[in-house]
Amino acid sequence: DVKVTQSSRYLVKRTGEKVFLECVQDMDHENMFWYRQDPGLGLRLIYFSYDVKMKEKGDIPEGYSVSREKKERFSLILESASTNQTSMYLCASSSRTALHTEAFFGQGTRLTVV
Amino acid sequence: AQRVTQPEKLLSVFKGAPVELKCNYSYSGSPELFWYVQYSRQRLQLLLRHISRESIKGFTADLNKGETSFHLKKPFAQEEDSAMYYCALTVRGSTLGRLYFGRGTQLTVWP
Repeated sequence: DVKVTQSSRYLVKRTGEKVFLECVQDMDHENMFWYRQDPGLGLRLIYFSYDVKMKEKGDIPEGYSVSREKKERFSLILESASTNQTSMYLCASSSRTALHTEAFFGQGTRLTVV
Repeated sequence: AQRVTQPEKLLSVFKGAPVELKCNYSYSGSPELFWYVQYSRQRLQLLLRHISRESIKGFTADLNKGETSFHLKKPFAQEEDSAMYYCALTVRGSTLGRLYFGRGTQLTVWP
């Protein structure tokens, strides 16, 4: 059973804190993604990575950074959390070599910034 | 630029009625289209992709390049179909695998 695992299901952080969201996949996928899911706005791509130590900005990278030191792990970092970053965060991974693209998603981390 | 539009934020039907969730896209190249579904308290998962031409859980979707649409259809909706549905697009042949999502349609099937 393929798995993308996010380290926390729920997080509550204070404004100004540095926040780490961790994601691990066990499918040896090259591509990994961080999305933000908000009602009425759908899924918006924050950052993605297509290889270790490689990263690309998505549509809403401001206020976020990422780290990919190992192939299986992709971390999202909120440098200084703000209330407008309260959201559901979804991690996903996909293979670069598969004939057809399919993204596999984690269970999500609901982050509340107070 | 790639864009996916789902015009309906909410859609309600009664059990046994036909349902159609609309999806339109804009992309000048050759796209690969998907429908993803998220049931309550479950993770987002692939429902079907246009290239497979398959029917999953009674749902089908046909890519209409002339109308740039990829509507999801089911002739007889069931209560367990209630979920959030997202249409998504990727660039065919791209190894980066980036997906462009629509804003989603929340489907409710009433008993």
